[in-house]
Amino acid sequence: NAGVTQTPKFRILKIGQSMTLQCAQDMNHNYMYWYRQDPGMGLKLIYYSVGAGITDKGEVPNGYNVSRSTTEDFPLRLELAAPSQTSVYFCASSYSRGGQETQYFGPGTRLLVL
Amino acid sequence: KNEVEQSPQNLTAQEGEFITINCSYSVGISALHWLQQHPGGGIVSLFMLSSGKKKHGRLIATINIQEKHSSLHITASHPRDSAVYICAARALDKIIFGKGTRLHILP
Repeated sequence: NAGVTQTPKFRILKIGQSMTLQCAQDMNHNYMYWYRQDPGMGLKLIYYSVGAGITDKGEVPNGYNVSRSTTEDFPLRLELAAPSQTSVYFCASSYSRGGQETQYFGPGTRLLVL
Repeated sequence: KNEVEQSPQNLTAQEGEFITINCSYSVGISALHWLQQHPGGGIVSLFMLSSGKKKHGRLIATINIQEKHSSLHITASHPRDSAVYICAARALDKIIFGKGTRLHILP
C-alpha cells in the first residue's frame, strides 16, 4: 500500500491564482481530512469527509473547497490564493474499529503564496 | 486561552532519561490523540485514548478525564525520539490540536 499520497510537494502561487492540492489513499478508509499547519501553530482542520459524497467544514474552511467523489480521493481547491494561505497542508485518512481510530497522514504540501 | 495546551513547549534531555509531556484541555472530548511529527515534517499517529492508559514499546500515554489532562511518557529516551509531539482533543464536531512539544534527546 502507498498509504496517503499528496501532490505536489511544494508550490509557489501568485495572489489570486487557483490550484488543487491532490490527496489519495489506497487503504479504503472512509474518513479523510485536510489540515493546515502554520509555523509555530497547531494543526487546524480545514475540511473533512466521512465518506464518498459527504464533506463538512472544519475550523478554518474559508477560501477552500473540497469534493469527495470517490473513497480514494479528496482534493482541496484554493480558488483565489491569498498570502494568508501560505502554510503546510496535510491530508489524512482514518478508520475506526472497536472505538479506536488511527489517522494516517500524507507527507504534506508546502504552499507559498506571494 | 487555547482549548488545548501542551507543556513544556521545548524539552532537551540526555539519552536514557524518562520524558513526560503534558496536555491539558478545556473542552469536553470523546478521545485524545497523540501524534509525532518528525524533523522532516512527516506525522505519525501514536495513540488514541478515551480513558486509562496505553503502552506501545517505550511510549506510554495516560489520560485523566476528570482532570482533563493527558500525559505522554517516553522511557529510556533515545536520540531517534527527537521530534515534535502533538496532542489533539477530539470533540463531537471538531478536533483541536495543541501547538506541540519539541523534544531533543542528546546522545
